[in-house]
Amino acid sequence: EDQVTQSPEALRLQEGESSSLNCSYTVSGLRGLFWYRQDPGKGPEFLFTLYSAGEEKEKERLKATLTKKESFLHITAPKPEDSATYLCAVQGIQGAQKLVFGQGTRLTINP
Amino acid sequence: ETGVTQTPRHLVMGMTNKKSLKCEQHLGHNAMYWYKQSAKKPLELMFVYNFKEQTENNSVPSRFSPECPNSSHLFLHLHTLQPEDSALYLCASSQEFLGTGISQYFGPGTRLTVT
Repeated sequence: EDQVTQSPEALRLQEGESSSLNCSYTVSGLRGLFWYRQDPGKGPEFLFTLYSAGEEKEKERLKATLTKKESFLHITAPKPEDSATYLCAVQGIQGAQKLVFGQGTRLTINP
Repeated sequence: ETGVTQTPRHLVMGMTNKKSLKCEQHLGHNAMYWYKQSAKKPLELMFVYNFKEQTENNSVPSRFSPECPNSSHLFLHLHTLQPEDSALYLCASSQEFLGTGISQYFGPGTRLTVT
């Protein structure tokens, strides 16, 4: 069974303090690993898809990386507007279109 | 309207009521999904529709009844719910079904409270 574990559960940073969020996964065969951002009271917003180990993608202050067992979401010099819950999900070979989500990391950036 | 829309945004219902949630996608996608998001739990997939045909029912109780009249609209009919069904219900859509790494796009959700 495909599984996703995200850590930490919550993270507080000062504005400008860089850090990383972790997504560990087990999957029969990886079709894709997804990162989403979710603001309170809203639906998840798609950020990145990663397909194979070694792949990296960037968007503004965010960079996602992928290994065979985990993915990291690096946040460089964050701003208060980066505060949100970040969700990781995997799509395995046996899961078809079924995404398996982690429980998320709640990120708070203090000004 | 753009993206994926959901109505109502908030719903309070008693355990004996019957209500429906509506989702509409304006992206030209062919697959639509219902998810349940409870506090401190991962998103749970409930139903998948591909070209109006239900392709997955993730062991959801029969008090939840989905309907997909066309590729742009998805409903979730609710009846005799339990308090533990209180959650954020999210609709999503994607371009293809069974596609590798195809992104799903989510609506804003309906916050459901069962009293």
